[in-house]
Amino acid sequence: EIVMTQSPATLSVSPGERATLSCRASQSVSTNLAWYQQRPGQAPRLLIYDTSTRASGIPATFSGSGSGTEFTLTISSLQSEDFGVYYCQQYDKWPLTFGGGTKVEIK
Amino acid sequence: QVQLVESGGGVVQPGRSLRLTCAASGFTFSNYAMHWVRQAPGKGLEWVAVISYDGRNKYYADSVKGRFTFSRDNSQNMLSLQVNNLRPEDTAVYYCAKGRGSSSPGNLLFDYWGQGTLVTVSS
Repeated sequence: EIVMTQSPATLSVSPGERATLSCRASQSVSTNLAWYQQRPGQAPRLLIYDTSTRASGIPATFSGSGSGTEFTLTISSLQSEDFGVYYCQQYDKWPLTFGGGTKVEIK
Repeated sequence: QVQLVESGGGVVQPGRSLRLTCAASGFTFSNYAMHWVRQAPGKGLEWVAVISYDGRNKYYADSVKGRFTFSRDNSQNMLSLQVNNLRPEDTAVYYCAKGRGSSSPGNLLFDYWGQGTLVTVSS
């Protein structure tokens, strides 16, 4: 099983600041990597797939990069609605696995 | 718009069974693989199972293999997850989710999610 490790566990950011979230895979997943946002009490929402492609309706403030085992989600300017937990997910090999999440909170 | 509505959750004793369902609308259901993903209270996401667009192929997480059975009815746009021999560690919100693409690997990520149904396994 591919283990996905996210860091940091918690990120405190002021509105308007930049946030950088990391995701590491225990073996290469090529670019088969997605990011999801989960706000409190809500279902997850797809943000990025294929490492760097924004899903429908996702603003350009969200961007993804990386390949192989190292991936990054960047939020260029945090808005109030961006606070929540972010998960990465690999879909290169079975079983599909998620990272443990990074909580982005208001500083 | 795409809608996924889960139901069937509840409180159940260890060893008992439940049947979770998911009603889909707003897209051509029979074209897409569908998934169940669960989330234990206060924890992260865990993929549970996938079913192919035609129902012929199914894959399960090792943690549920042999106890959970995933099926679909394309004539009714419905999914079912039969969960047997429940354990306390199965306590979670169960989400059904739509595979994004019509083929691998795109169908192995999730572009729409339901709001989930809570299963609590407790004596």
